[in-house]
This record gives sequence, C-alpha cells and structure tokens, in this order.
Amino acid sequence: DQQVKQNSPSLSVQEGRISILNCDYTNSMFDYFLWYKKYPAEGPTFLISISSIKDKNEDGRFTVFLNKSAKHLSLHIVPSQPGDSAVYFCAATDQGAQKLVFGQGTRLTINP
Amino acid sequence: SQTIHQWPATLVQPVGSPLSLECTVEGTSNPNLYWYRQAAGRGLQLLFYSVGIGQISSEVPQNLSASRPQDRQFILSSKKLLLSDSGFYLCAWRPSYGEQFFGPGTRLTVL
Repeated sequence: DQQVKQNSPSLSVQEGRISILNCDYTNSMFDYFLWYKKYPAEGPTFLISISSIKDKNEDGRFTVFLNKSAKHLSLHIVPSQPGDSAVYFCAATDQGAQKLVFGQGTRLTINP
Repeated sequence: SQTIHQWPATLVQPVGSPLSLECTVEGTSNPNLYWYRQAAGRGLQLLFYSVGIGQISSEVPQNLSASRPQDRQFILSSKKLLLSDSGFYLCAWRPSYGEQFFGPGTRLTVL
C-alpha cells in the first residue's frame, strides 16, 4: 500500500526551463509535506516543505504547490540548472506520526 | 547547530559476516532516529526507527536489528550478512515534528 506515489521515475528538462515534479498521496490525514533532493552516494537533503494550511510555499527557485482536494503536490524549479540534476523524493506525514512516508523518487536530468 | 555522523562511509563484507553501522547526532536532545536502506536504483526503505533510548520499531522483517544505547546513538547490526543486504544505508534524525535530516550514508557491499 503505497501512500505516497511519484509516478514518473524520470524527467528530462532543458536548462533554463521549468521542471515540474509531481507527487500524489492517498492518506487524507497527512498534513505536512516535504521535498528532498539526493545526489548519488550522498544522503538526501531537505529542500522545501508545506503545511496543509497553505497551498503554496516558495523558496528562491523552488515552489511547492499543494492541492488537498486532489491529494496532489508538485515541486516547480525555475529556471532549471545543471546542478539540479538529482533524484527528488516527496514525503508526507501527519502530526501524530513518528515517521515520514516517502515516494519512490523521480530522477531529474537537466540538459544543457 | 545539529550534525549527524555515520561511519564507516564504505564497507565491503563477505556473506555470513557480522555488521555494525553507527550513527550519532550532535546538537539536539531526544531526537527521533531512523535507519533507511536504498538498494540500487530504488527508493528509500525505512528499516527501523526509535523515539527514545531502548525503543526500537521495526518496519521490515529481515536479518537486521537496531539498537539505541544512548540518546543520540543509533546502531544497525546483523549477525550474518546476506547478499541482499547490499545497499546504501542512511541514518536520519528528526525532532518530534517537522523536517528530517539525513546523514551522509554508508555504502555496504556484501560479496
């Protein structure tokens, strides 16, 4: 039972364009969502998060959008840069939970 | 500021040998601690988590075990490694709510 799903295993985007990474969830109790970026042979690093009381959170080139009715969130990166090439994981949790539930990840490749 | 350490960074072990991976966190008290494994080309699989000293929750039945002998120390062990135990092992910590922070990881190869 995968409660958090990233249906695109990979995504290729031209440098300078917008990258949009998608994530769907099934548990309506989730109220906090996070995005992580992971390079090979390194631990994931936290990028940005959003609480369910918001529908958008922005941090520099990164914006996360939350659509609670659709149980969908997305990460927008604009403009995309070569250093953004990595695997991106979305994660979700609720206040009573002790752990995050991760998606399977999307490999983003930024082409020059 | 908080930091998380894992060692060793890489490890090559024969099948059937024991395993001990250590993780320590600095700069915080009573964190939640987690062990994950990422197999080649796969997602993050949660193996164990702990909300306090001596408290271990197991997510996946396997030949691995975890212990938390001190507040900021989390150990992953095995008595006999299998080939399928190869992977990238990640320790993470988290306050009671909010972001989770990962360590640098240990690459384990079982031959």
